[in-house]
Amino acid sequence: DTGVSQDPRHKITKRGQNVTFRCDPISEHNRLYWYRQTLGQGPEFLTYFQNEAQLEKSRLLSDRFSAERPKGSFSTLEIQRTEQGDSAMYLCASSPPGPALRGNYGYTFGSGTRLTVV
Amino acid sequence: AQSVTQPDIHITVSEGASLELRCNYSYGATPYLFWYVQSPGQGLQLLLKYFSGDTLVQGIKGFEAEFKRSQSSFNLRKPSVHWSDAAEYFCARGAGTALIFGKGTTLSVSS
Repeated sequence: DTGVSQDPRHKITKRGQNVTFRCDPISEHNRLYWYRQTLGQGPEFLTYFQNEAQLEKSRLLSDRFSAERPKGSFSTLEIQRTEQGDSAMYLCASSPPGPALRGNYGYTFGSGTRLTVV
Repeated sequence: AQSVTQPDIHITVSEGASLELRCNYSYGATPYLFWYVQSPGQGLQLLLKYFSGDTLVQGIKGFEAEFKRSQSSFNLRKPSVHWSDAAEYFCARGAGTALIFGKGTTLSVSS
């Protein structure tokens, strides 16, 4: 297993276009998270899946953002009508099953997708 | 609201010198605390974590951190810094299912 994979690594898009990112978690991990990291800031939580269920969404996740994890394996994050403020690194992480809090925190992060909106 | 503060935006340390990166957290008697490292263009790698028990935690790459409840701190230390330690370091705390990160401290290592 090679860890958490994210594709693409970099994406440049024009304002107003839609973009979709993919995350493949570690195969035995049932929990998956998306974070956003802007320049000079720490990552900020966007959303959380347990298996295929999206259990938590941050208020940062506006209605232009949608995330799915259709079969409880890979996940996609789509941004519609991109804006320049969406430029950021989008990080995916996964964690294994286990006691609720401690299981949640056994994160492995991917290398991220860097989005630039021009 | 829960938060994590890293007071130092940028620190420069000579190779071989000791290092201490500061982290303060707010809210919560016994938080779950973490230190991550991020190299340019990369994801985050977990250095160490504190859940309970011994307040001095050992991590990977020779790093350690000490939880001090009285000071609401979780400072990261390394006795001798190597040039390869140059990176950005993030302190984080658990908040439900998510992690709350500080803004990070950039470490530069001079020869």
